[in-house]
Amino acid sequence: GAGVSQSPRYKVAKRGQDVALRCDPISGHVSLFWYQQALGQGPEFLTYFQNEAQLDKSGLPSDRFFAERPEGSVSTLKIQRTQQEDSAVYLCAIPRGANVLTFGAGSRLTVL
Amino acid sequence: RKEVEQDPGPFNVPEGATVAFNCTYSNSASQSFFWYRQDCRKEPKLLMSVYSSGNEDGRFTAQLNRASQYISLLIRDSKLSDSATYLCVVNMGRYSGGGADGLTFGKGTHLIIQP
Repeated sequence: GAGVSQSPRYKVAKRGQDVALRCDPISGHVSLFWYQQALGQGPEFLTYFQNEAQLDKSGLPSDRFFAERPEGSVSTLKIQRTQQEDSAVYLCAIPRGANVLTFGAGSRLTVL
Repeated sequence: RKEVEQDPGPFNVPEGATVAFNCTYSNSASQSFFWYRQDCRKEPKLLMSVYSSGNEDGRFTAQLNRASQYISLLIRDSKLSDSATYLCVVNMGRYSGGGADGLTFGKGTHLIIQP
């Protein structure tokens, strides 16, 4: 979506591989969110940043998932030792006004 | 019980018909309510907010029933282009009670408009 660029758009990983997914919001956005959307499900909250501070990581499904935003702009979601159940679309979002999220196009991860 | 529940469908509806679907939420302290639309293999996008008094945007009408904790979406004179997944979204106010930091999404209702 306009304002949020995600890469790669598609990633195929073998089980056990590490992956890194990138979110690049337009400059000046304080808040940034990561969501996971499995097939047939709605987006599920993963984690939330205000600038470089990770205020909430309660949605990360396991300690294999790690997110960072070291300079308060670009964020990276890293998944270590990927499993098949990690296959999903990973969506990055920024707020646009109260209660409105603008999502990026997502990174579709397939773990074989 | 999931925080936000929707009938996943699919709802198969002929073009021109009226279709309605509901969504229930579990947290009575929820403060804000929305419908997002998601096209196949695309990201979700805001369709409309849902206000206490109900609101209308063209062919779309959204209603909120706080007592029964559900929201609804009505689509009149449905078009082929309305085919999509409709996501019910509730703000649980995870932090300050406002902003986008407490949004919880339902699984979505899949709508197929048939010619």
